[in-house]
This record gives sequence, structure tokens and C-alpha cells, in this order.
Amino acid sequence: GEDVEQSLFLSVREGDSSVINCTYTDSSSTYLYWYKQEPGAGLQLLTYIFSNMDMKQDQRLTVLLNKKDKHLSLRIADTQTGDSAIYFCAETDSGGGADGLTFGKGTHLIIQP
Amino acid sequence: SQTIHQWPATLVQPVGSPLSLECTVEGTSNPNLYWYRQAAGRGLQLLFYSVGIGQISSEVPQNLSASRPQDRQFILSSKKLLLSDSGFYLCAWHLAGINNEQFFGPGTRLTVL
Repeated sequence: GEDVEQSLFLSVREGDSSVINCTYTDSSSTYLYWYKQEPGAGLQLLTYIFSNMDMKQDQRLTVLLNKKDKHLSLRIADTQTGDSAIYFCAETDSGGGADGLTFGKGTHLIIQP
Repeated sequence: SQTIHQWPATLVQPVGSPLSLECTVEGTSNPNLYWYRQAAGRGLQLLFYSVGIGQISSEVPQNLSASRPQDRQFILSSKKLLLSDSGFYLCAWHLAGINNEQFFGPGTRLTVL
């Protein structure tokens, strides 16, 4: 079956850039997503990228997709304390996630003052 | 605007007791609905999804079942809880063909003792 892998922890200093990496195995992935989960809360979609794109930028967020290597990254510029959360990478091979998403285990982003 | 509710927010149940978690969506019609479980160290796992009333697809064999008695209501149930059913249960909805986002509810924290 499909598999999505992420590092469990990332520690960065406030003001630096954070880069969270993700690899996936499903070569037929159509959409790839980054979700943010704050403590005790549900998931919030940060951004998504369609598989025929290699980059997407939205304010402080930049998503890079290397489809050949099946590697997805999320860069957060000027990391703030409010960015402290768990970040999940997810993918689907169906149009718009109609039959559910496959998630990674999540990366805990820790912000150092 | 659309909102998604989950009830209860937290639940502590003894092993062998029944379970009923409720998810309701407002502000949309005929959504796809999903139940995910987030267990410690295991990321998010899709449990069930539904594309319409009475239509349930199960992703993994388990001690749980789901039902969709109304268009915007999704229920997760168990007749006898196991210790391994503990986790954070997230409901999500998705409007097929309209956008690429799954919207998540606030979650239910279930502890089975």
C-alpha cells in the first residue's frame, strides 16, 4: 500500500526558516497536502500541490515537489512561535481526496527562542 | 459558511463498553465524510469514508463500525471497546469536484481503560 514518511521532530530558532520534508511511495499520487495540527485541535489545511506542479508559494509557505524522487517539502520562512505544531504530509491518488488521504506520522516543529 | 462538529470532545470508557461518536456538518450538502484515528506514534489512519447516506467504505478491519443515517451526520460506533481503540478521532468532510481540501473537525479524545 501507499506509504508516507516524515521525520518526527524538527527544531529551529525563531526567525529562521523551517524545512519539513516528506517522502511518499505512491507513484500515482495526484494531490499532496500539508496540514497543521495545534495541540489538542483538529487538522488545518495549510496548502496543497497538484502533481503536475513543482513549486507553490503562499505568503511564508513554499512547497517544493520532486515527483521523480517522490519528495515533498514545506518551507516556512521567518518561523514564529505560533508555527509550533505538528505538520502532516498527506497524499491521495484520487481526484481531490474522494476516498481519503494517506498521512505521514507528522513532524513536530519546535521553536527555540 | 461550512462548519463541522464532533461530540463529545473527550471520553473515558472502560474496556468492553459501547461507543458512539457523532460528527455533523453544517452549510453544505452531499459531502464525502471521513473518520480518521490518530494514535500515539502512528499518525493518522483513515478508518471509514462515506460518499452518501447509508454508503460506508471501511479501510481497515477493526473493532469499529460507521453509519451515515443522514446526509450531514456520520457516526462511529463500537459494541465493545478494546484498549487499542484509544486515540484521537477526527471527522472530516470533502465536497467532491469542488475543491481539493478535506476540512477536519475538532476531534474526540477517547481513552479506554
